[in-house]
Amino acid sequence: ETGVTQTPRHLVMGMTNKKSLKCEQHLGHNAMYWYKQSAKKPLELMFVYSLEERVENNSVPSRFSPECPNSSHLFLHLHTLQPEDSALYLCASSQDLVTGTDTQYFGPGTRLTVL
Amino acid sequence: RKEVEQDPGPFNVPEGATVAFNCTYSNSASQSFFWYRQDCRKEPKLLMSVYSSGNEDGRFTAQLNRASQYISLLIRDSKLSDSATYLCVVNLWSGGTSYGKLTFGQGTILTVHP
Repeated sequence: ETGVTQTPRHLVMGMTNKKSLKCEQHLGHNAMYWYKQSAKKPLELMFVYSLEERVENNSVPSRFSPECPNSSHLFLHLHTLQPEDSALYLCASSQDLVTGTDTQYFGPGTRLTVL
Repeated sequence: RKEVEQDPGPFNVPEGATVAFNCTYSNSASQSFFWYRQDCRKEPKLLMSVYSSGNEDGRFTAQLNRASQYISLLIRDSKLSDSATYLCVVNLWSGGTSYGKLTFGQGTILTVHP
């Protein structure tokens, strides 16, 4: 519906597992974002990509590794996560990097549980 | 002080009620402002932008007071379908070739009951 899809929608993983989250946007946008939404906390920006180039790494631990192979796809590779990393991970896109009034469109999110 | 601060609620109102949400932001250089809506277990979606002159979209009215660094959202004639979390969002953009970052408030929970 929103033009931004994410898979999987739910993920349960152990602390020693390696998994990847996938995001795809069908809107022809040039900028993509990863956010983390934990319970009772505001959305936290994690990474920003513009035209496949990372322009922002918001002090995110190295156990989270983003990848943007093209302007339509964004991945978040996960390894050796901690239980406190359990959260809703949201992908978003915008026409270009957000300036004045640009809107970000969000995907449905991946609800991650780390055991 | 939080960059964007909202009363988390929850607000429980009957159908037909008028309800107002407030939001304050700390960075006076903030450039643009939005209200997003997030339904339970869904993604945030843009509800409306907020302009200095105030703007209205049907039953929803948004106001911005730059001097007080304050944003509001008024919902008139509440419907059951208005039940959601309302996120106050501020864009800090210094213009030119830089880019802005959206900073989200924690959200205000609204429940409209019959």
